[in-house]
Amino acid sequence: GENVEQHPSTLSVQEGDSAVIKCTYSDSASNYFPWYKQELGKGPQLIIDIRSNVGEKKDQRIAVTLNKTAKHFSLHITETQPEDSAVYFCAASNSGGGADGLTFGKGTHLIIQP
Amino acid sequence: KAGVTQTPRYLIKTRGQQVTLSCSPISGHRSVSWYQQTPGQGLQFLFEYFSETQRNKGNFPGRFSGRQFSNSRSEMNVSTLELGDSALYLCASSIRGLDGYTFGSGTRLTVV
Repeated sequence: GENVEQHPSTLSVQEGDSAVIKCTYSDSASNYFPWYKQELGKGPQLIIDIRSNVGEKKDQRIAVTLNKTAKHFSLHITETQPEDSAVYFCAASNSGGGADGLTFGKGTHLIIQP
Repeated sequence: KAGVTQTPRYLIKTRGQQVTLSCSPISGHRSVSWYQQTPGQGLQFLFEYFSETQRNKGNFPGRFSGRQFSNSRSEMNVSTLELGDSALYLCASSIRGLDGYTFGSGTRLTVV
């Protein structure tokens, strides 16, 4: 089955700086890669996703890049703000997260220092 | 637009009992998935339902089961509870199960 590795487990950055979280996956059949943000006491919130036929996708301060050859994808957050503090999860699936489910990384605790 | 609603939010059960959790998806979403979240194992896929049919199941024992109703609402059941079943159980819905899964806030189950 699919295996997703996520690094780092904790990331502390100064407010206004950029943050990068990296994930690798094992199953070359995976074609859907979402990123979720989870705040304390809440469920994961989808912040951006990318399909394997696209190399990069951007939404305001958030961007995701995908390298299918190397089987890794990354989340980039620019101009970080205090409200960006949360746990971020990457995930991979070969069915869009449907029938086979999403395989998640272990999460990155992002801390924004004022 | 209402989000994914899970009830109850918190639950305390005794080892050996059974429990039923409920999930109401976003209106129009026909796919509902369930996940277990623990500090040690992270987020793990339990099963997914689409139009009342279970399409796949994760690597969990048969004590974990679920169903989906004609209005897309879903329930999951855990029988013969064990201490290790203590976790946050999350439900996620999607229009067709192809992408864009929206999660609920979860049910925190504690087994004592």
